[in-house]
Amino acid sequence: DAKTTQPPSMDCAEGRAANLPCNHSTISGNEYVYWYRQIHSQGPQYIIHGLKNNETNEMASLIITEDRKSSTLILPHATLRDTAVYYCIVRVGGGNQGGKLIFGQGTELSVKP
Amino acid sequence: GAVVSQHPSRVICKSGTSVKIECRSLDFQATTMFWYRQFPKQSLMLMATSNEGSKATYEQGVEKDKFLINHASLTLSTLTVTSAHPEDSSFYICSPLNQQSEAFFGQGTRLTVV
Repeated sequence: DAKTTQPPSMDCAEGRAANLPCNHSTISGNEYVYWYRQIHSQGPQYIIHGLKNNETNEMASLIITEDRKSSTLILPHATLRDTAVYYCIVRVGGGNQGGKLIFGQGTELSVKP
Repeated sequence: GAVVSQHPSRVICKSGTSVKIECRSLDFQATTMFWYRQFPKQSLMLMATSNEGSKATYEQGVEKDKFLINHASLTLSTLTVTSAHPEDSSFYICSPLNQQSEAFFGQGTRLTVV
């Protein structure tokens, strides 16, 4: 079973920041938080991952709480092409140990003009 | 990002026949491959994990004799759905891991069994 819970859906206005929350209260010390997204009828696309520090790349920022029980994915300026299902995943084994990626139900983000 | 080629993207087959899905990592070596399936309006479900040169490990409830996985090389893994039935109709997705254990995904195969 997935170790994360996410709201099933969210809306965001185009050009505004999209903040997607994720709860992972049972995360272990060596487990990383990964975010992927899936646009309809395509394979998932990697977004970002982190262990305990906040991370930022060209796509998004990942904010992890100090107790690591929750995190937030931030898309700073959402566009219509960001409409997708976003999955927050706690990776069993973590890091470079090749753990499984177990998908939960994800959040369906709709970016509206 | 790394390039993963999954083929075919769509396939329609008759009940009782077998279908082979190929997944290739074009610019990296994949020692580990995950196979998922996804039913409409649902999330991805992990079916099995395979490591190059060894037998696949199947998740609970997935029939190993029905879903044959071959991972004979570091750049190619195949999933064969044997004796397919309409309930096997689904979206199948491969996910190879590179040597840094980064996971990439194929574009998926839409299987329809009629």
